[in-house]
Amino acid sequence: DSGVTQTPKHLITATGQRVTLRCSPRSGDLSVYWYQQSLDQGLQFLIQYYNGEERAKGNILERFSAQQFPDLHSELNLSSLELGDSALYFCASSTREAQETQYFGPGTRLLVL
Amino acid sequence: GQSLEQPSEVTAVEGAIVQINCTYQTSGFYGLSWYQQHDGGAPTFLSYNALDGLEETGRFSSFLSRSDSYGYLLLQELQMKDSASYFCAVRDRAGGFKTIFGAGTRLFVKA
Repeated sequence: DSGVTQTPKHLITATGQRVTLRCSPRSGDLSVYWYQQSLDQGLQFLIQYYNGEERAKGNILERFSAQQFPDLHSELNLSSLELGDSALYFCASSTREAQETQYFGPGTRLLVL
Repeated sequence: GQSLEQPSEVTAVEGAIVQINCTYQTSGFYGLSWYQQHDGGAPTFLSYNALDGLEETGRFSSFLSRSDSYGYLLLQELQMKDSASYFCAVRDRAGGFKTIFGAGTRLFVKA
C-alpha cells in the first residue's frame, strides 16, 4: 500500500459525458501527478501540482483539467469523453525534495462506451 | 525533444541475472528512476540514480552513465514474481519538469 488513494476504482460512462477522478496523496506529500495508461501502453504524464499550484504540464488534452485543493487532494476532470479516453488513470505523489521518487495510487479504470 | 528507449521484451529463467537497458535524450537531466508494474497493478518505485555509478537495493541494482545518457536495471536471482513490466523515467528540467516514462520492458521469467 503506497498511501496514495484514488476513487473510484472503476468507472463506466458514455461518450460525451464528464467524469471526475479523485486522488489523495500520501501524508506529507505536496506534489501530485496524474498519468494516463492506455492498454499495453506506457505511462503518459498529464499534469503535476505542487501545493495547489500547477507545476508541470504534459500532453493533457484541453478537454481534461485538474486542480489541487488546500487539503492537497486533487481531482482530474475529463469532459466530452471519447472512446479513446478509455484507460487507467493513475495519480502519484512525492515530496518536494524527492520528486524523482513517486508513489502511485491503485488507479481508476475508465471505460467509455 | 525528450525520449527514452528500452527493449520491449526480455525473457530469462528463474535464478538468472537480467539487465534492462535504458537510453535517454533530454536537455535538462535530473536523474533516472526505475519502476516496476505487475499486470493490473500500479507502478512501484524501485530505484533512482542522480549520479554516475551503481546503486544496489537487495536483488535489484541500477546503473547510470550521464556521459553516455544510458542506464540499466539489473535483477539478480530472478524469481517468478519478478515477471512484470519495468519502466525507466526521467524528469526533464528543460521540459518544464515533466516526468517522462519509457514505453516499458516486459520481463518474462521462466521456470
